[in-house]
Amino acid sequence: GQQLNQSPQSMFIQEGEDVSMNCTSSSIFNTWLWYKQDPGEGPVLLIALYKAGELTSNGRLTAQFGITRKDSFLNISASIPSDVGIYFCAGLLPQGGSEKLVFGKGTKLTVNP
Amino acid sequence: NAGVTQTPKFRVLKTGQSMTLLCAQDMNHEYMYWYRQDPGMGLRLIHYSVGEGTTAKGEVPDGYNVSRLKKQNFLLGLESAAPSQTSVYFCASSYMTATEAFFGQGTRLTVV
Repeated sequence: GQQLNQSPQSMFIQEGEDVSMNCTSSSIFNTWLWYKQDPGEGPVLLIALYKAGELTSNGRLTAQFGITRKDSFLNISASIPSDVGIYFCAGLLPQGGSEKLVFGKGTKLTVNP
Repeated sequence: NAGVTQTPKFRVLKTGQSMTLLCAQDMNHEYMYWYRQDPGMGLRLIHYSVGEGTTAKGEVPDGYNVSRLKKQNFLLGLESAAPSQTSVYFCASSYMTATEAFFGQGTRLTVV
């Protein structure tokens, strides 16, 4: 089953507000990734985090790799209507000499103009 | 540069029918993945491959088979489709583990 707990499930905000979402797990991950999915499209990578404690920004987006390697958060500042979509956290889980990429259930973001 | 291409984009199957979904990538990636996406469930890993000729089970492998005979192609097969396999299927590929995975546009499959 799912090994990543992503919250919140959905958010309804006003344009201009900041947004925060997070993922936690009981497992240790080697890499954390944040993706965005627009309707009818495949997910597109927003930010990749490779080291525990790493804090990375991409425009108005900021994400951090938790120091325990079991959690990550994504912040979006000054939201705009085009931020609408589903945001997924994903992690690379060590698996018998290789790694598999697993996803959280997603946070659906709605931005009201 | 097409990236990751999935065929078909839409398909309706009758219960018990079989079909194969094709994923092709032109980026010389080693890793390829098949996911299914269902409302409220996010993306669940079905099978993945770490290189040509290798496959491994993901979170929800039952009812599916895969093959990676060529590095650029990853096939997902349904031998006997069931209504529970109605979903949107996404293929992804990455150069190595711990790097960005690129996704296809998805295949919407309905089993009636």
